[in-house]
Amino acid sequence: KAGVTQTPRYLIKTRGQQVTLSCSPISGHRSVSWYQQTPGQGLQFLFEYFSETQRNKGNFPGRFSGRQFSNSRSEMNVSTLELGDSALYLCASRPGPGTGELFFGEGSRLTVL
Amino acid sequence: AQSVTQLDSQVPVFEEAPVELRCNYSSSVSVYLFWYVQYPNQGLQLLLKYLSGSTLVESINGFEAEFNKSQTSFHLRKPSVHISDTAEYFCAVSDRKGGSEKLVFGKGTKLTVNP
Repeated sequence: KAGVTQTPRYLIKTRGQQVTLSCSPISGHRSVSWYQQTPGQGLQFLFEYFSETQRNKGNFPGRFSGRQFSNSRSEMNVSTLELGDSALYLCASRPGPGTGELFFGEGSRLTVL
Repeated sequence: AQSVTQLDSQVPVFEEAPVELRCNYSSSVSVYLFWYVQYPNQGLQLLLKYLSGSTLVESINGFEAEFNKSQTSFHLRKPSVHISDTAEYFCAVSDRKGGSEKLVFGKGTKLTVNP
């Protein structure tokens, strides 16, 4: 069974640009969550999607948004990039919300210059 | 809201020595606890989990963790470490709200196993 797939793995952007990251969950998993990992703040929850609906949202500004498609694939978007948005963005999936463990992808490493 | 404290940011040990990585969580009526491991340039892999039942949980690669409700702890132990155990370890607690669930992570502990 294929794991969680994230694309792109690495990308470099400049301040003010926007970025879209993609996540394909494990087959059969319908819940997708996103986390941001930085050296200073550690791992922080961004949002969770299930059945194309945002179920939960972390404490991030409105520049961070996401969506989920009918095939459970998810994208997250960050607009008007700031230097502080440089991070590893991790996507995780599970069969449904509240079903325990998360299965993580390898992440998309974003560098903002 | 739930919170997790990992008491050591870095733990250096020699190969074949025992190790304990400490984790404390904020108290709650019921709690799910996890340990994840992250190798360089990779995502997080689940090491072990406590959902209910036996307070001692084990992983397939020799790690174990004990859920201690009175001390609100979930320390990770291994009796004899290998070079390949060098990685960052994250303790996490589930935070459930309105049918949704997120993981709240500690800041991580970098385990370095030296020959």
